[in-house]
Amino acid sequence: GQQVMQIPQYQHVQEGEDFTTYCNSSTTLSNIQWYKQRPGGHPVFLIQLVKSGEVKKQKRLTFQFGEAKKNSSLHITATQTTDVGTYFCAYDNYGQNFVFGPGTRLSVLP
Amino acid sequence: DAGVTQSPTHLIKTRGQQVTLRCSPKSGHDTVSWYQQALGQGPQFIFQYYEEEERQRGNFPDRFSGHQFPNYSSELNVNALLLGDSALYLCASSLGGGAGTEAFFGQGTRLTVV
Repeated sequence: GQQVMQIPQYQHVQEGEDFTTYCNSSTTLSNIQWYKQRPGGHPVFLIQLVKSGEVKKQKRLTFQFGEAKKNSSLHITATQTTDVGTYFCAYDNYGQNFVFGPGTRLSVLP
Repeated sequence: DAGVTQSPTHLIKTRGQQVTLRCSPKSGHDTVSWYQQALGQGPQFIFQYYEEEERQRGNFPDRFSGHQFPNYSSELNVNALLLGDSALYLCASSLGGGAGTEAFFGQGTRLTVV
């Protein structure tokens, strides 16, 4: 399946600063899902985007799917220490065969 | 309503041994997928079971095999363990396994091969 890349690999922010991670593919994706994995935990589903240019918000989190459906972003406003973890994008290759990106590890300094 | 449960949570095996990991899907779910997550990497798809049959398979050798039981629970078996098999093994369940449906992950089994 097509690989997805994520940048940055690591991000250290001061509590209260904003954070953005990007997910990029060289081909058009049918959908994008975002997961959060806390240190020592398991991936937890955050959201799914399927439409070109779609934007969804969950409190301080804003998710966007690019117009060409080749990229996506996750933006966190005013980070908190509870936001610490690794954020993965993934696409559904074919019926629950998810292809995950390498993730962006977020550290939030209090 | 229990979520996805996996057992055991941690396991240490010796190179060359065989291991069986177990997964009980979320209540009402009929599809189970297995993933391998090496340290510092994203999960990689191993295979998926639906209606007691392997429906899809990722790029993993035949040493990795599985099974799904009539109650939808599943097992992952790995034979002839290698040091490189050390990883977090995740089970994800869903209903129907169709594209775009939400998958729920278990807490994983951390396998260490020494």
